[in-house]
Formats: sequence, structure tokens, C-alpha cells
Amino acid sequence: AQTVTQSQPEMSVQEAETVTLSCTYDTSENNYYLFWYKQPPSRQMILVIRQEAYKQQNATENRFSVNFQKAAKSFSLKISDSQLGDTAMYFCAFGTETSGSRLTFGEGTQLTVNP
Amino acid sequence: ETGVTQTPRHLVMGMTNKKSLKCEQHLGHNAMYWYKQSAKKPLELMFVYNFKEQTENNSVPSRFSPECPNSSHLFLHLHTLQPEDSALYLCASSQSPSGGQGAGKLFFGSGTQLSVL
Repeated sequence: AQTVTQSQPEMSVQEAETVTLSCTYDTSENNYYLFWYKQPPSRQMILVIRQEAYKQQNATENRFSVNFQKAAKSFSLKISDSQLGDTAMYFCAFGTETSGSRLTFGEGTQLTVNP
Repeated sequence: ETGVTQTPRHLVMGMTNKKSLKCEQHLGHNAMYWYKQSAKKPLELMFVYNFKEQTENNSVPSRFSPECPNSSHLFLHLHTLQPEDSALYLCASSQSPSGGQGAGKLFFGSGTQLSVL
């Protein structure tokens, strides 16, 4: 069974600064996907970034980037130039070719961006 | 209207009530999901539907009864719930529940915050 662990329940960052959210996972699969989802106060979860395990290049989406360390089973999210609208709960998630879109989620990290 | 819409946004019910949660997606997706989100716990996948057929039931108690009349609509019928069932219930959709290029790209609604008294 897959597990996803987010060890930081809460984090805060000053506006315009950079913050990194941690995620580790455990799996015996070789072909899988990793995700970061964002849940703002509106409660609607939004996909932030997606990484395929077979790709060595780290995924980036504008101010969001990941540091994917396959051997260490680590998948951290870096948010650059933090904005007030980045305040949200961030969930790390895991899926495989077999499980498809039936994802396993971590417990989440509440990020607060301070003005 | 676009995206995934859930109603009601909030629901308070007694343990003997019967109520239903509704989800509608306007994305042309084939798969729909119910997730339960409790405080300080990972999201729990409850049910998966693909082309109206239930493909997964993660040992959910029978007091939760899903219904998927077509690929765009998903319901969760609730009856004789317990206080521990109080949680945020999220609906999601995706092009397919399977692997491939779109795997894991879920589109969520804003959820129904359920309180069971």
C-alpha cells in the first residue's frame, strides 16, 4: 500500500519570499505520479503541479516548482515570490498507472502568507 | 456554468434524518468520485464511478448510498448518520479513472460541509 506523509501541519511565509513544503511517500511501484493540490478557503481543491516518476526533470508551473528525489522518495513543493492568494491548505498526492486517478493524499500543510 | 458544482454548501442533520448531496460536472468527464475530508486526516476516497458504473467502494458504511444516473451527475444519499460522519464531502471528476496522460488530474467541487447532531 502507498502512504504519503506531510510532516509540516502548518507553515507561514512573508509575502514575496520563498517557501518549501515537504512530502515523502512510500511505494514499491516503479511507475507512478505525484501531485500537489491546493485547497484555498473556498474549499475547492485545485491541481497545482504534477510530476511523472519516470521524468528526471522537475516539473514547474510559473512560481511553483518541485524537487523530486526518487531515490529518497521525496517530493517537495517550492513556491517563489509568495502571494497572499497562495494562502491555502496544500496536499501532496500519489497515484499509479494501476490506481489511475484514485489518488492517495497526505494530511496537508496549512500555508499562511503574511503581508 | 462550468466545472464541478456541489449542493448544498452546508448541511446540518439529525441522526434520524435522510438527506442527499448533489454533484454536477460540466466538463464532459467520464469518472466521478466522492471523497470525505475530516480535520487533520488525509482525504478518504469513498466511491468511484466510471461511465455511471460504480467501480470502487472503499468499505463505506451502508448509511452512505451513492447514485450516478449519468456521467454528469452524482448523488450521495445519507440516512441514519452518526456524529463521526461530520466532515467535508468533496465530489471530483476526471476524464478517466485509469492511468495514462490524464491520470490524477482531478477537478473538485467546493464540497458540502456536513454536521450530524
